Amino acid sequence: QSVLTQPPSVSEAPRQRVTISCSGSSSNIGNNAVNWYQQLPGKAPKLLIYYDDLLPSEVSDRFSGSKSGTSASLAISGLQSEDEADYYCAAWDDSLNGWVFGGGTKLTVL
Amino acid sequence: EVQLVESGGGLVQPGGSLRLSCAASGFTFSTYWMTWVRQAPGKGLEWVANIKQDGSEKYYVDSVRGRFTISRDNAKNSLYLQMNSLRAEDTAVYYCAREPSVEDCNWFDPWGQGTRVTVSS
Repeated sequence: QSVLTQPPSVSEAPRQRVTISCSGSSSNIGNNAVNWYQQLPGKAPKLLIYYDDLLPSEVSDRFSGSKSGTSASLAISGLQSEDEADYYCAAWDDSLNGWVFGGGTKLTVL
Repeated sequence: EVQLVESGGGLVQPGGSLRLSCAASGFTFSTYWMTWVRQAPGKGLEWVANIKQDGSEKYYVDSVRGRFTISRDNAKNSLYLQMNSLRAEDTAVYYCAREPSVEDCNWFDPWGQGTRVTVSS
Protein backbone atom coordinates (compact mmCIF):
# COMPACT_ATOMS: atom_id res chain seq x y z
CA GLN A 1 0.00 0.00 0.00
CA SER A 2 1.63 3.21 -1.18
CA VAL A 3 1.56 6.43 0.82
CA LEU A 4 0.55 8.35 -2.30
CA THR A 5 -2.51 7.06 -4.14
CA GLN A 6 -2.67 6.83 -7.93
CA PRO A 7 -5.13 5.00 -10.17
CA PRO A 8 -3.55 1.70 -11.32
CA SER A 9 -4.36 2.37 -14.95
CA VAL A 10 -5.80 4.90 -17.37
CA SER A 11 -6.46 4.68 -21.08
CA GLU A 12 -7.36 7.12 -23.82
CA ALA A 13 -7.31 7.39 -27.58
CA PRO A 14 -4.50 9.02 -29.59
CA ARG A 15 -4.56 12.83 -29.79
CA GLN A 16 -6.81 13.03 -26.72
CA ARG A 17 -5.99 14.31 -23.23
CA VAL A 18 -5.64 12.27 -20.06
CA THR A 19 -5.03 13.16 -16.43
CA ILE A 20 -3.45 11.05 -13.69
CA SER A 21 -4.21 11.91 -10.09
CA CYS A 22 -1.98 11.56 -7.05
CA SER A 23 -3.50 11.88 -3.60
CA GLY A 24 -1.52 12.34 -0.41
CA SER A 25 -1.71 14.08 2.94
CA SER A 26 -0.55 17.16 4.80
CA SER A 27 2.80 15.54 5.63
CA ASN A 28 3.77 15.00 2.02
CA ILE A 29 1.96 16.68 -0.89
CA GLY A 30 0.31 19.22 1.38
CA ASN A 31 3.66 20.55 2.57
CA ASN A 32 6.18 19.60 -0.11
CA ALA A 33 6.63 19.72 -3.84
CA VAL A 34 5.51 16.89 -6.10
CA ASN A 35 7.61 15.32 -8.82
CA TRP A 36 6.51 13.00 -11.61
CA TYR A 37 8.49 10.27 -13.35
CA GLN A 38 7.89 8.34 -16.53
CA GLN A 39 9.07 4.76 -16.88
CA LEU A 40 8.96 3.33 -20.38
CA PRO A 41 8.76 -0.48 -20.63
CA GLY A 42 12.07 -2.06 -19.63
CA LYS A 43 13.74 1.29 -18.98
CA ALA A 44 14.90 3.30 -15.99
CA PRO A 45 12.57 6.04 -14.74
CA LYS A 46 12.97 9.53 -16.14
CA LEU A 47 12.08 12.90 -14.63
CA LEU A 48 8.93 14.35 -16.18
CA ILE A 49 7.76 17.16 -13.88
CA TYR A 50 9.47 18.70 -10.87
CA TYR A 51 8.47 21.26 -8.21
CA ASP A 52 4.77 20.59 -8.88
CA ASP A 53 4.55 22.02 -12.39
CA LEU A 54 8.00 22.64 -13.89
CA LEU A 55 9.13 20.87 -17.05
CA PRO A 56 12.73 19.84 -17.67
CA SER A 57 13.90 21.40 -20.92
CA GLU A 58 13.97 18.09 -22.76
CA VAL A 59 10.37 17.15 -21.87
CA SER A 60 7.57 17.88 -24.33
CA ASP A 61 5.13 20.64 -23.36
CA ARG A 62 2.33 18.14 -23.93
CA PHE A 63 3.02 17.20 -20.30
CA SER A 64 1.89 19.45 -17.45
CA GLY A 65 1.59 19.20 -13.69
CA SER A 66 -0.57 20.86 -11.07
CA LYS A 67 -1.17 20.68 -7.35
CA SER A 68 -3.96 21.71 -5.01
CA GLY A 69 -3.93 21.01 -1.30
CA THR A 70 -2.99 17.39 -0.75
CA SER A 71 -3.51 16.25 -4.34
CA ALA A 72 -1.56 16.60 -7.56
CA SER A 73 -2.26 15.81 -11.19
CA LEU A 74 -0.31 15.02 -14.32
CA ALA A 75 -1.93 15.89 -17.64
CA ILE A 76 -0.85 14.62 -21.02
CA SER A 77 -2.37 16.18 -24.12
CA GLY A 78 -2.16 15.09 -27.73
CA LEU A 79 -1.60 11.49 -26.68
CA GLN A 80 0.86 9.48 -28.75
CA SER A 81 1.62 5.78 -28.74
CA GLU A 82 5.08 6.48 -27.34
CA ASP A 83 3.46 7.90 -24.20
CA GLU A 84 2.52 4.37 -23.15
CA ALA A 85 4.42 3.95 -19.90
CA ASP A 86 4.11 3.82 -16.15
CA TYR A 87 3.86 7.17 -14.39
CA TYR A 88 4.80 7.77 -10.76
CA CYS A 89 4.30 10.73 -8.45
CA ALA A 90 6.68 11.32 -5.53
CA ALA A 91 7.07 13.73 -2.63
CA TRP A 92 9.08 14.07 0.56
CA ASP A 93 7.14 13.01 3.65
CA ASP A 94 7.88 15.05 6.77
CA SER A 95 6.44 12.43 9.14
CA LEU A 96 8.33 9.50 7.64
CA ASN A 97 11.45 11.58 6.97
CA GLY A 98 11.76 10.01 3.56
CA TRP A 99 10.57 10.05 -0.01
CA VAL A 100 7.27 8.40 -0.85
CA PHE A 101 6.02 7.28 -4.25
CA GLY A 102 2.60 6.62 -5.64
CA GLY A 103 1.90 3.06 -6.70
CA GLY A 104 2.23 4.00 -10.35
CA THR A 105 -0.29 4.41 -13.16
CA LYS A 106 -0.06 2.44 -16.37
CA LEU A 107 -1.10 4.53 -19.36
CA THR A 108 -2.50 2.74 -22.38
CA VAL A 109 -3.00 4.65 -25.63
CA LEU A 110 -5.89 2.88 -27.35
CA GLU B 1 27.11 14.11 -20.28
CA VAL B 2 25.72 13.45 -16.82
CA GLN B 3 25.89 9.72 -16.19
CA LEU B 4 25.29 7.28 -13.36
CA VAL B 5 26.37 3.65 -13.65
CA GLU B 6 25.42 1.10 -11.01
CA SER B 7 27.24 -2.16 -10.37
CA GLY B 8 27.53 -4.87 -7.75
CA GLY B 9 24.19 -6.60 -8.13
CA GLY B 10 23.81 -10.35 -8.28
CA LEU B 11 22.40 -13.45 -6.63
CA VAL B 12 22.82 -13.74 -2.86
CA GLN B 13 21.41 -16.10 -0.27
CA PRO B 14 19.01 -14.89 2.43
CA GLY B 15 21.00 -13.42 5.30
CA GLY B 16 23.87 -12.54 3.01
CA SER B 17 25.45 -9.24 2.12
CA LEU B 18 26.06 -7.23 -1.03
CA ARG B 19 27.60 -3.86 -1.78
CA LEU B 20 26.23 -1.79 -4.62
CA SER B 21 28.23 0.98 -6.25
CA CYS B 22 27.19 3.91 -8.40
CA ALA B 23 29.84 5.69 -10.46
CA ALA B 24 29.01 9.29 -11.30
CA SER B 25 30.43 11.38 -14.11
CA GLY B 26 29.70 14.59 -15.98
CA PHE B 27 28.85 16.72 -12.94
CA THR B 28 30.31 17.90 -9.63
CA PHE B 29 29.34 14.90 -7.54
CA SER B 30 30.22 16.48 -4.20
CA THR B 31 27.58 19.20 -4.57
CA TYR B 32 24.51 16.93 -4.80
CA TRP B 33 22.41 14.79 -2.53
CA MET B 34 22.28 11.25 -3.88
CA THR B 35 19.63 8.59 -3.53
CA TRP B 36 18.89 4.89 -4.02
CA VAL B 37 15.50 3.71 -5.30
CA ARG B 38 14.47 0.10 -5.89
CA GLN B 39 11.83 -1.70 -7.90
CA ALA B 40 10.77 -5.24 -7.09
CA PRO B 41 9.79 -7.44 -10.05
CA GLY B 42 6.50 -6.24 -11.49
CA LYS B 43 6.09 -3.66 -8.73
CA GLY B 44 6.35 0.09 -8.34
CA LEU B 45 9.20 2.32 -7.24
CA GLU B 46 10.32 2.39 -3.60
CA TRP B 47 12.78 4.92 -2.25
CA VAL B 48 15.51 3.25 -0.16
CA ALA B 49 17.93 5.86 1.18
CA ASN B 50 19.60 9.16 0.50
CA ILE B 51 22.71 11.01 1.63
CA LYS B 52 23.73 14.64 1.89
CA GLN B 53 26.61 16.13 -0.05
CA ASP B 54 29.17 15.67 2.73
CA GLY B 55 27.66 12.47 4.12
CA SER B 56 26.58 14.16 7.34
CA GLU B 57 22.88 13.33 6.88
CA LYS B 58 21.41 10.01 5.81
CA TYR B 59 17.80 8.87 5.64
CA TYR B 60 16.38 5.39 5.17
CA VAL B 61 13.03 3.76 4.52
CA ASP B 62 11.92 1.84 7.60
CA SER B 63 12.18 -1.57 5.95
CA VAL B 64 15.97 -1.30 5.47
CA ARG B 65 17.02 0.83 8.45
CA GLY B 66 19.61 -1.04 10.48
CA ARG B 67 20.39 -3.44 7.63
CA PHE B 68 21.47 -1.11 4.80
CA THR B 69 24.06 1.66 4.92
CA ILE B 70 24.38 4.39 2.35
CA SER B 71 27.74 6.08 1.90
CA ARG B 72 29.71 8.08 -0.60
CA ASP B 73 33.28 8.86 -1.59
CA ASN B 74 33.41 12.30 -3.15
CA ALA B 75 37.05 11.85 -4.15
CA LYS B 76 36.02 8.85 -6.24
CA ASN B 77 32.68 10.30 -7.44
CA SER B 78 31.00 7.20 -6.10
CA LEU B 79 27.89 6.29 -4.13
CA TYR B 80 27.49 3.01 -2.28
CA LEU B 81 24.81 0.89 -0.66
CA GLN B 82 25.99 -1.78 1.77
CA MET B 83 23.19 -4.31 2.16
CA ASN B 84 23.36 -6.78 5.05
CA SER B 85 20.93 -9.40 6.38
CA LEU B 86 19.30 -9.58 2.98
CA ARG B 87 15.78 -10.93 2.67
CA ALA B 88 13.77 -12.28 -0.23
CA GLU B 89 11.74 -9.05 -0.23
CA ASP B 90 14.90 -7.06 -1.01
CA THR B 91 14.92 -8.64 -4.47
CA ALA B 92 14.69 -5.73 -6.89
CA VAL B 93 16.43 -3.57 -9.44
CA TYR B 94 18.32 -0.88 -7.55
CA TYR B 95 18.70 2.54 -9.14
CA CYS B 96 20.91 5.36 -8.01
CA ALA B 97 19.83 8.90 -8.81
CA ARG B 98 21.11 12.42 -8.37
CA GLU B 99 19.03 14.82 -6.28
CA PRO B 100 19.17 18.33 -7.73
CA SER B 101 17.38 20.98 -5.72
CA VAL B 102 16.02 24.49 -5.82
CA GLU B 103 14.83 26.25 -2.71
CA ASP B 104 13.29 23.46 -0.61
CA CYS B 105 12.49 21.16 -3.50
CA ASN B 106 14.56 18.16 -4.54
CA TRP B 107 13.93 15.71 -7.33
CA PHE B 108 15.64 12.67 -8.92
CA ASP B 109 17.49 13.35 -12.16
CA PRO B 110 19.09 11.53 -13.81
CA TRP B 111 18.71 7.88 -12.90
CA GLY B 112 21.19 5.13 -13.58
CA GLN B 113 20.30 2.06 -15.60
CA GLY B 114 19.91 -0.06 -12.47
CA THR B 115 21.54 -3.17 -11.07
CA ARG B 116 19.57 -6.31 -10.26
CA VAL B 117 19.70 -7.92 -6.83
CA THR B 118 18.19 -11.35 -6.29
CA VAL B 119 17.94 -12.80 -2.81
CA SER B 120 17.25 -16.51 -3.02
CA SER B 121 18.55 -19.83 -1.78
